[in-house]
Amino acid sequence: EVQLSESGGGLVQPGGSLRLSCAASGFTFSFAAMTWVRQTPGKGLEWVSLISSSGANTYYADSVKGRFTVSRDNSKNILYMQMNSLRAEDTAVYFCAKDMQLSDWGQGTLVTVSS
Amino acid sequence: DIQMTQSPSAMSASVGDRVTITCRTSQAISTSLAWFQQRPGKVPQRLINHASSLQSGVPSRFSGSGSGTEFTLTISSLQPEDFATYYCLQYSTYPFTFGPGTKVDIK
Repeated sequence: EVQLSESGGGLVQPGGSLRLSCAASGFTFSFAAMTWVRQTPGKGLEWVSLISSSGANTYYADSVKGRFTVSRDNSKNILYMQMNSLRAEDTAVYFCAKDMQLSDWGQGTLVTVSS
Repeated sequence: DIQMTQSPSAMSASVGDRVTITCRTSQAISTSLAWFQQRPGKVPQRLINHASSLQSGVPSRFSGSGSGTEFTLTISSLQPEDFATYYCLQYSTYPFTFGPGTKVDIK
């Protein structure tokens, strides 16, 4: 059974940084591209980033490009998202999901950017 | 970036109704489209990928069709557990993009 578990969310001031993690199990992590998606409370879904299975290729939404960096550790089965220069509009629940077609999702972690 | 629209944005329906939701893309994406269901307070779940391939375990009352720029999700006979918000996602061109969602609630 695929399991994805995000962590690292919390309250951060505007301009601050946060690193999210997503621990994966139940599948061969090193064979799967991984995706981050976010959802502002009460609003729709926003695709944020994707990293290829090897980590060699990364892709970002325009809204986070240059501020967020996705990475992965295939030896530990963990996906990361380093978020810098955070803004109020980055406040959302952040989900990690398996592959480019988002076949499985974690439960999400809440990031709140506020002073 | 590819822009996504969904129609309707919200609808009221009754148990047993046939429901059709449309997703349109600003550029042709072949069949690189997935549909997701999100029940209130729950994590989104994929229903369909490749425009028409049903995810394992998803009831057969759900079906998807379309290619190019216009796609539909059909629920043949709405059940109580189907009241939710539905999203489409294009995964043809980076950055991938979601539609704004269609909320289906009880009439």
